[in-house]
Amino acid sequence: EVQLLESGGSLVQPGGSLRLSCSASGFTFSSYAMSWVRQAPGKGLEWVSGISGSDGGNDGSTYYADSVKGRFTISRDNSKNTLYLQMNSLRAEDTAVYYCAKAVGRVTYYFDYWGQGTLVPVSS
Amino acid sequence: ERVMTQSPATLSVSPGERATLSCRASQGVGSNIAWYQQKPGQAPRLLIYSASTRATGIPARFSGSGSGTEFTLTISSLQSEDFAVYFCQHYNNWPSFGGGTKVEIK
Repeated sequence: EVQLLESGGSLVQPGGSLRLSCSASGFTFSSYAMSWVRQAPGKGLEWVSGISGSDGGNDGSTYYADSVKGRFTISRDNSKNTLYLQMNSLRAEDTAVYYCAKAVGRVTYYFDYWGQGTLVPVSS
Repeated sequence: ERVMTQSPATLSVSPGERATLSCRASQGVGSNIAWYQQKPGQAPRLLIYSASTRATGIPARFSGSGSGTEFTLTISSLQSEDFAVYFCQHYNNWPSFGGGTKVEIK
């Protein structure tokens, strides 16, 4: 059974930093692209960042939405089956539930499994 | 950047009736469209991919159609568990979601 478990969400002040983690199980983690998708309170879904899966050669290519480029960094540790999102220079508009999502392929970005989400409130 | 526009924002439907949800892309995306269902307090659930293919375990009353820039999700006979918010998403390059359509009980 595929499971994705996010952690690390907490109240942070504007300008602060936070690292989210997503622990994955039930599939060959390294083979699949992964993404972070967020949802502000009462709003729709916004794709934040993605990282490609491994094909044994080139892997780990990263992609970002313009709204977070230069502030957020996505990474993965395939030995720990864990996805990360390092968030720096946080703003009030980054307040959202952050979901970890598994893509259906190494580079194809639609999502067949989602975590339960972790809330990141950015406020002074 | 491709912008996805969903309509209507809210759809009021009686149980047993048909619901038709629309999604329009600002540029062509081929058939690279997915649809998700989200209920309050839950993560989204994949319903449809490649514009018209049902995901594993999705009932046949859900169907998708379209290509290029115009897409439709149809729920043939609404059940009580279908009242939720529905999002379309393109995955032509970097993913982008529509704003959602809330399907509510009439």
